[in-house]
Amino acid sequence: DAMVIQNPRYQVTQFGKPVTLSCSQTLNHNVMYWYQQKSSQAPKLLFHYYDKDFNNEADTPDNFQSRRPNTSFCFLDIRSPGLGDAAMYLCATSTRLVSTDTQYFGPGTRLTVL
Amino acid sequence: ELKVEQNPLFLSMQEGKNYTIYCNYSTTSDRLYWYRQDPGKSLESLFVLLSNGAVKQEGRLMASLDTKARLSTLHITAAVHDLSATYFCAVDFGKSSGDKLTFGTGTRLAVRP
Repeated sequence: DAMVIQNPRYQVTQFGKPVTLSCSQTLNHNVMYWYQQKSSQAPKLLFHYYDKDFNNEADTPDNFQSRRPNTSFCFLDIRSPGLGDAAMYLCATSTRLVSTDTQYFGPGTRLTVL
Repeated sequence: ELKVEQNPLFLSMQEGKNYTIYCNYSTTSDRLYWYRQDPGKSLESLFVLLSNGAVKQEGRLMASLDTKARLSTLHITAAVHDLSATYFCAVDFGKSSGDKLTFGTGTRLAVRP
């Protein structure tokens, strides 16, 4: 039973063409995270929501935006994808920021930019 | 600066052998997590270590945490090919990091026959 679901699993877009990635969760967790992971690197946090509270990382480009319309769903919008944005995008959830529980990761969306 | 370092970065080991992956971190924390990632896949939680001296075991993997030394180890016993993956440790530094995880660089493990 999938707990963190990401759609699509693979996304191909053209340079500069906006794209939206989707994440949903059945865990009812307060916190949802978006990570970017490039080949052979650790995941890099882009931003996270604690309930409706949005927290952007200082080095996340303005090109990346996020929306969380309700507890279950969170979206990552890339307004004008560049070649350097090609990566795996991982959504994760946890019960609260300082947690004794782990973060639960979705399967990821692999983004290709042509 | 909040840093998490893993070594080795790459480990090629023979089936049946034992080895240890090390995770050092820069400042006080008592919350450390280990994840496994298969090529092209997402991260899977392996262990959650929440206190000094914590030890967790699952199959051929055993993780421990020494908060005084700021060190966690992931020990592999009698490696099998199925353990080939990249292993990440991640540390929650609490308020000083904005209550987020700081990931290590990852250790890519290849188990050969």
